[in-house]
Amino acid sequence: DAGVIQSPRHEVTEMGQEVTLRCKPISGHDYLFWYRQTMMRGLELLIYFNNNVPIDDSGMPEDRFSAKMPNASFSTLKIQPSEPRDSAVYFCASSFARFPYEQYFGPGTRLTVT
Amino acid sequence: SQKIEQNSEALNIQEGKTATLTCNYTNYSPAYLQWYRQDPGRGPVFLLLIRENEKEKRKERLKVTFDTTLKQSLFHITASQPADSATYLCALESTNTGNQFYFGTGTSLTVIP
Repeated sequence: DAGVIQSPRHEVTEMGQEVTLRCKPISGHDYLFWYRQTMMRGLELLIYFNNNVPIDDSGMPEDRFSAKMPNASFSTLKIQPSEPRDSAVYFCASSFARFPYEQYFGPGTRLTVT
Repeated sequence: SQKIEQNSEALNIQEGKTATLTCNYTNYSPAYLQWYRQDPGRGPVFLLLIRENEKEKRKERLKVTFDTTLKQSLFHITASQPADSATYLCALESTNTGNQFYFGTGTSLTVIP
């Protein structure tokens, strides 16, 4: 398996634009997680899915953030409209089961909002 | 407030020595704790899991301890090598308010040849 795949790897956009981050989990993993990492706040869990259903979105910072998982092999994290404070590295991870099973992280998407 | 704190500063050690990283938590009662390694420009990689009823866990040159009384986990790398240089993160699940998963602030380790 190629591991968790994220695209794009880098995204630079202007404030107010819509940003869509994409993730393909490891085949057979039933859980998918979206994280955000910044120097100030570290690694934060935003939302996670089980069998394509959102389970806990309490980490989503604002209504500008939304996540979907239309099928077992694809998820998106959308920010609309984007703001400079959204600049961060966004990671997707997948797992065979929920915590405490180990999570496999993707390479991340570095988002810069100017 | 709830916190997970790791070594506040970067850790530099000589090759061959044992590196010891700390993870302290407050206002959590985790049933387990995990340790991850993160290299620059990459996602974290899972290393070890230790449960509350386990005092110690080992994997090759890695050793983790978990003291629920002190609310602390220690992560040891014995016979350290330059390839061990990375940031190490501890993580736990909180059941205090829902079931959220939290990572610590991370400790940057540099092993000097």
